[in-house]
Amino acid sequence: DVKVTQSSRYLVKRTGEKVFLECVQDMDHENMFWYRQDPGLGLRLIYFSYDVKMKEKGDIPEGYSVSREKKERFSLILESASTNQTSMYLCASRVGQDYGYTFGSGTRLTVV
Amino acid sequence: KNEVEQSPQNLTAQEGEFITINCSYSVGISALHWLQQHPGGGIVSLFMLSSGKKKHGRLIATINIQEKHSSLHITASHPRDSAVYICAVMQNRDDKIIFGKGTRLHILP
Repeated sequence: DVKVTQSSRYLVKRTGEKVFLECVQDMDHENMFWYRQDPGLGLRLIYFSYDVKMKEKGDIPEGYSVSREKKERFSLILESASTNQTSMYLCASRVGQDYGYTFGSGTRLTVV
Repeated sequence: KNEVEQSPQNLTAQEGEFITINCSYSVGISALHWLQQHPGGGIVSLFMLSSGKKKHGRLIATINIQEKHSSLHITASHPRDSAVYICAVMQNRDDKIIFGKGTRLHILP
């Protein structure tokens, strides 16, 4: 089975800190995605990547950046964390178009 | 209007009941996912459908492309089925995925 591993399950950070959320998949998937999930808003796409060193903005990229230096790893970066970035963050990957998604277990980030 | 609508938003049922969760969408799609999210937050993909019907254990998912509607059924429901069930569609015009808001299911023992 494909595994998508998010490095932290729960994270508490202070306002203004630089935060890295890591996502690693072990099945050579081309496409990787970062979502955040908020009550009443559902899952929203932050950034995605279709290949190494490639990144595209999703629906809500403001306040975030990403890095994909290696195929298996897609990092979400909060340059200066703010309280409105408190959320559940989910990483997903897939082989390519027309294939299903595999999701990570999520990282619940609290910014205080 | 949301492009993916799920109903009901919340559902409480007794153990053993037959459960149906509905998903309607308004965009052209290449496929539809049913996802399960347990209280801890992790998401598992239950089904990916582009036509017809799929069955896995006590779970059945159907899709009607013409009517733009999908249903997820759970037979002989059990308290461990308690979770949020999310419908997600893969748009065929730009390959993006749109998520429904989810249906919170609570099965009472």
